Amino acid sequence: GQNIDQPTEMTATEGAIVQINCTYQTSGFNGLFWYQQHAGEAPTFLSYNVLDGLEEKGRFSSFLSRSKGYSYLLLKELQMKDSASYLCAVQDSNYQLIWGAGTKLIIKP
Amino acid sequence: SAVISQKPSRDICQRGTSLTIQCQVDSQVTMMFWYRQQPGQSLTLIATANQGSEATYESGFVIDKFPISRPNLTFSTLTVSNMSPEDSSIYLCSVRGQGDTGELFFGEGSRLTVL
Repeated sequence: GQNIDQPTEMTATEGAIVQINCTYQTSGFNGLFWYQQHAGEAPTFLSYNVLDGLEEKGRFSSFLSRSKGYSYLLLKELQMKDSASYLCAVQDSNYQLIWGAGTKLIIKP
Repeated sequence: SAVISQKPSRDICQRGTSLTIQCQVDSQVTMMFWYRQQPGQSLTLIATANQGSEATYESGFVIDKFPISRPNLTFSTLTVSNMSPEDSSIYLCSVRGQGDTGELFFGEGSRLTVL
């Protein structure tokens, strides 16, 4: 079956760095997405990786290793507004999105 | 990017009733996706709404329970029929972006509570 694993919850301190991991087993691979979802709101797109390596976008970076079935989202200089759930989603060989359960990130002052 | 308007934003419904959620996109799109997000959980795809043809339902979801309309390329509705408390959830409409990544854009969601 298809499966995506990410930690349920993480806690970090304002100003620090946090890495949220995502491992996947899917039928084929056509890209991996990270979304941010604040409580009570819809998910918003953060990043997309289809080739191995690191994609940097401001304070957020996303890394992919296809051979390991592994990705991480790196958040630097954490701000209180970064408190949210972070969803990992993989696009399989049929371009269907397989969603992880999400990681709730709690930022403490 | 795509701007998606979804309504109602929230509603409280009685068991056994039905509710229709509307989704309007600011551009023409071939496919519109309907998701459910139960409390504390991730997204589950209910169905894909195609203009001019029947919606494609995912395993565990049936047309009688979740009828979908797609009258044109910018609008779709999802009806949650004969509701029970287990249907209490957030329902989200989404479309693919037109760029290289094809990321999803979501409506604001409709939070339904069934008593």
